[in-house]
Amino acid sequence: AQRVTQPEKLLSVFKGAPVELKCNYSYSGSPELFWYVQYSRQRLQLLLRHISRESIKGFTADLNKGETSFHLKKPFAQEEDSAMYYCALPTIPQGAQKLVFGQGTRLTINP
Amino acid sequence: EPEVTQTPSHQVTQMGQEVILRCVPISNHLYFYWYRQILGQKVEFLVSFYNNEISEKSEIFDDQFSVERPDGSNFTLKIRSTKLEDSAMYFCASSPGTDSPLHFGNGTRLTVT
Repeated sequence: AQRVTQPEKLLSVFKGAPVELKCNYSYSGSPELFWYVQYSRQRLQLLLRHISRESIKGFTADLNKGETSFHLKKPFAQEEDSAMYYCALPTIPQGAQKLVFGQGTRLTINP
Repeated sequence: EPEVTQTPSHQVTQMGQEVILRCVPISNHLYFYWYRQILGQKVEFLVSFYNNEISEKSEIFDDQFSVERPDGSNFTLKIRSTKLEDSAMYFCASSPGTDSPLHFGNGTRLTVT
């Protein structure tokens, strides 16, 4: 069964420090993975997707099939990065996309 | 930028009552979804809807739940007889295609007392 694990519920770093939010997945096949972010009092929104291989707001994520990981990284954290981050694995079992989410990591950037 | 809108933002109901949660997906999207998040737990898939029918539903989506697209703009989730354990944040989402990211609404917080 598809599964996404985010081992850290809470992560706190200082402004300017590097950030890494961990995500591991279980999927039989070639996965595509997403990171969604939810800022305070805002909706869940897509941050980045593995397939696009782009950097959004300074964040990157590399799919490591050997380690079944898709960790989210940013070299220098900013206070506005404080938010809830969800790793998600989309599957299309019946032709419509179904997302399997990790439990989320609450990232707090301290000034 | 167009957004998915959900109403109400918070709904309080008594156990056994019926509730209808409303969503207006983005207008040119074809796929519609409901997810829910019980406090402290993961966001969970409930149901997907395409071409006026359910395309997939999870084990959570039992006979107490139903979805409907009553007109060209609204997408509703009905819970026929609410239970305490239905208390959660319910998110509506839509997408233009199966390989496009989902666009989520702000959610409706349902509290069953």
